[in-house]
Amino acid sequence: DIVMTQSPDSLAVSLGERATINCKSSQSVLYSSNNKNYLAWYQQKPGQPPKLLIYWASTRASGVPDRFSGSGSATDFTLTISSLQAEDVAVYYCQQYYSTSVTFGGGTKVEIK
Amino acid sequence: QVQLVESGGGLVKPGGSLRLSCAASGFTFSDYYMYWIRQAPGKGLEWVSYISGSGSTIYYADSVKGRFTVSRDNAKNSLYLQMDSLRAEDTAVYFCARDRAAARHFDYWGPGALVTVSS
Repeated sequence: DIVMTQSPDSLAVSLGERATINCKSSQSVLYSSNNKNYLAWYQQKPGQPPKLLIYWASTRASGVPDRFSGSGSATDFTLTISSLQAEDVAVYYCQQYYSTSVTFGGGTKVEIK
Repeated sequence: QVQLVESGGGLVKPGGSLRLSCAASGFTFSDYYMYWIRQAPGKGLEWVSYISGSGSTIYYADSVKGRFTVSRDNAKNSLYLQMDSLRAEDTAVYFCARDRAAARHFDYWGPGALVTVSS
C-alpha cells in the first residue's frame, strides 16, 4: 500500500493567518498518461463525516471557499488555508487514489492560536 | 439533494455478525461506485470495501477480506455491508461514501454508524 504521511500532526494559527499542511506519499501518485496527481484533501469536524475539499491535488470541490488551495506533485503535496477562519478548526486528511487500495494520511489538527 | 444514511450499527460480541445498511437518495444510485470507509475511535480513516454501480466489481481491504461482504440493491437505492467474525479491532464508525466520478475519491458521505465489538 502507498503510505501517506502528513505533517505536522497539529498546528495552531491565529485568525486571518495562513495555515499550511504537508502530505508526502511513499511513491508517486502522478499518473503519467494524463499528468494528473491522484491526491485529495478532506476536512473533518468533530462528530461529522469528512468533507471533500480538493481533488486532483489542486481542484476545489463544489462550494469550497477559495481560501483553501492545494498544490504539489508526484510525492509532495500541500494544503494551504490562506486566511484561517474560526469555522476552519478541524482535522484535515490527505488521500491518495492512485492505487485501487486508497489510503489516507494520519490527519492534521488545525486549531486557533 | 444527495443524502446517505447508514443504519444497523451497535454492540456485538467478538466473533459475532452485524449488517450495515446505507440508504441513498438524491442521485441515480446505480451510476456510482460506493465505498465503505471506517474510522476507529480517535483514529484516522481506513478504506474497507467498494462496489461498482452494477455490483459486478467488488474489492476489500486485506484487513476484512473473507469476513466482510459488500452488496447493493439498486432498486432500493441501498448499499450493505455484512460483517462476520467480528474482532475488537473492527470497532469503528463506518461511513458509506459516494465515489465522485469512479475516480476513488469521495464527494458525499453519510453521518456514519458506530460498530462496537466487545465482550
